[in-house]
Amino acid sequence: AQSVSQHNHHVILSEAASLELGCNYSYGGTVNLFWYVQYPGQHLQLLLKYFSGDPLVKGIKGFEAEFIKSKFSFNLRKPSVQWSDTAEYFCAVIPNTGKLIFGQGTTLQVKP
Amino acid sequence: GAGVSQSPSNKVTEKGKDVELRCDPISGHTALYWYRQSLGQGLEFLIYFQGNSAPDKSGLPSDRFSAERTGGSVSTLTIQRTQQEDSAVYLCASSSRTGLSYEQYFGPGTRLTVT
Repeated sequence: AQSVSQHNHHVILSEAASLELGCNYSYGGTVNLFWYVQYPGQHLQLLLKYFSGDPLVKGIKGFEAEFIKSKFSFNLRKPSVQWSDTAEYFCAVIPNTGKLIFGQGTTLQVKP
Repeated sequence: GAGVSQSPSNKVTEKGKDVELRCDPISGHTALYWYRQSLGQGLEFLIYFQGNSAPDKSGLPSDRFSAERTGGSVSTLTIQRTQQEDSAVYLCASSSRTGLSYEQYFGPGTRLTVT
């Protein structure tokens, strides 16, 4: 079955620390990859997406993610987090079925 | 322009009652999705409508759940004989499928509490 795995369920960082959230998916065909973010009390928003081309994609608020096809991974990174990055982060994949398959989510807590 | 809207924002119901949740997608979006977000379960796909095609119902957890989309726009998710385990936030999303553009835009959700 197609699935998405996020390795970290809860991450606590201090401001200015670097962030990397792992995401692996299980699907051998062409996929579209996404990271969504849900800030406290707000609805899901798209952070960044990969469809094709340069495997290093840049999103909003200084986030970036790298698609490594051989590892079936799409890890999210940010060199220096801020308190306002406290949120829940979801990796998601659309295989050829058209429906998003989400990971379990990672709660990021940034301490000021 | 307006985003995806959902109503009600909160719904408290008694076990055994039926509920209807509404989703208004972004105008012109041909695809509409329902997801459920619950503690410990993450985000779970429920059902997907694309244009006039038969919906993909593969994510509906039981036959108590159904959804329809009228006129290719508004969608209603119906849960019959609600159970406590149905308590969750129900999210609707829509997308405009042109080429590989599968970006989905999410609504604020309906928080359902079954007592």
